[in-house]
Amino acid sequence: IVMTQSPATLSVSPGERATLSCRASQSVRTNLAWYQQKPGQAPRLLIYSASTRATGVPARFSGSGSETEFTLTISSLQSEDFAVYYCQQYNNWPPRVTFGPGTKVDIK
Amino acid sequence: QVQLQESGPGLVKPSETLSLTCTVSNYFIGSGFYWGWIRQAPGQGLEWIGTISHRESTYYNPFLQSRVTISLDTSKNQFFLRVTSVAATDTALYYCARGFSGSPDYFEYWGLGTLVTVSS
Repeated sequence: IVMTQSPATLSVSPGERATLSCRASQSVRTNLAWYQQKPGQAPRLLIYSASTRATGVPARFSGSGSETEFTLTISSLQSEDFAVYYCQQYNNWPPRVTFGPGTKVDIK
Repeated sequence: QVQLQESGPGLVKPSETLSLTCTVSNYFIGSGFYWGWIRQAPGQGLEWIGTISHRESTYYNPFLQSRVTISLDTSKNQFFLRVTSVAATDTALYYCARGFSGSPDYFEYWGLGTLVTVSS
């Protein structure tokens, strides 16, 4: 399964809404996660099962979608949200994990 | 809080074998969960290498499968990555991570990563 993300770079002003897209080459049902990675840091799990926020993730982050089309929305960008965001799918069997190429969210 | 720390040589020669260790703190790896390795080439995205269950079932990226072995040692609370016949394209920051649930699905806890450079 190949994951694609768009756009590659998203320029947003603080306080604005950001919408990131992730597409799977075939259905992954809702077996999809979103991660945030800041420079020099390990990725952080934000969303799993397409729409469930991980522990401690602010409510301004939301995920939606199923099958092949997924969206991560950041409702009002804060300064700490400028980062690269990766989607990731997994297959039940055989167990396989694939990451998307990432979307960089930077300051407009 | 579960903590993971990668360790191993920072420089490996082409055609040789890369060996890394992930030491886990505050959780006994034999109790459950899945344990994975992910890498990130300089300036690039994330690439899943493989995952091992606490019962030692292994799952590998099909593009790397022929060169990769993941194992674990519960007595040391460590798991390991071995990549044979390395080339410059294996230069990357290597992360170890713990799975999120009872399935080999997502990665919740990550180490800080260790940079491995393949060069003569």
